[in-house]
Amino acid sequence: TQLLEQSPQFLSIQEGENLTVYCNSSSVFSSLQWYRQEPGEGPVLLVTVVTGGEVKKLKRLTFQFGDARKDSSLHITAAQPGDTGLYLCAGAHTSYGKLTFGQGTILTVHP
Amino acid sequence: DAGITQSPRHKVTETGTPVTLRCHQTENHRYMYWYRQDPGHGLRLIHYSYGVKDTDKGEVSDGYSVSRSKTEDFLLTLESATSSQTSVYFCAISEVGITNTGELFFGEGSRLTVL
Repeated sequence: TQLLEQSPQFLSIQEGENLTVYCNSSSVFSSLQWYRQEPGEGPVLLVTVVTGGEVKKLKRLTFQFGDARKDSSLHITAAQPGDTGLYLCAGAHTSYGKLTFGQGTILTVHP
Repeated sequence: DAGITQSPRHKVTETGTPVTLRCHQTENHRYMYWYRQDPGHGLRLIHYSYGVKDTDKGEVSDGYSVSRSKTEDFLLTLESATSSQTSVYFCAISEVGITNTGELFFGEGSRLTVL
C-alpha cells in the first residue's frame, strides 16, 4: 500500500497568517494533485504538479513538488476566511494505475 | 461545474438491506469512480469504470458491486449493508485516466447511514 501522509491534520489560524501543509510518502509519484473541499460538496482540483522540483502559484497559494517526487507542500500566504476547507493531496502511480489520497488537512481561518 | 448528479443525497437504512447509489453524468467522460470518505482516511477508491460494462476493483471493494450499462450512469450497490459502510460516498468522473494526470470532477456526495 502506497501511503500519503498529510500534516497537520488540523490547522486553526487567524486571518492574515501564513501556513504550510505537507504531503509526504516513501513512494515516487508520477504526478501529484491538490484538491480543496468545502462542507457538503465534493473536492475541487486546485493544481497538478508533474515535474520534480516544480513550483506552481495560484494567487496566494504556492504548490511545490519535491525533487524526488515523493513529497509536496501547499503554502498559503495571508490566509483569508474563504480559504477555510479540507485540503487533500493525491498522488498518481502510473505503474500501479492508482491515485492515492492523503487523509486531508482541515483548515479554519478565523476573521 | 461538471454535470454530475448523485442520488440519493441522503439515505438511512438498516443493516442487511440492499442499497443502490446512482451517479449520472452529462459530460460523456469515459472514466467514472466511486469513492468513500471517512474521517482520518481521506478518499478511498471502491470501484471504477473505464467504459461501458468495463469495471474494476479499487482498494476497498469488499461488500460493494457496480454496474455501468450506459456511458452516463454508474451504479454502486451494497448487497447487504453493514454499519461499517456508513460513510459519505462520492462519484467522480475524468476524461482521461487518473494516471495520465487526469482531473477528477466530483459529485456532491451521498451520505449513507446504516443503523
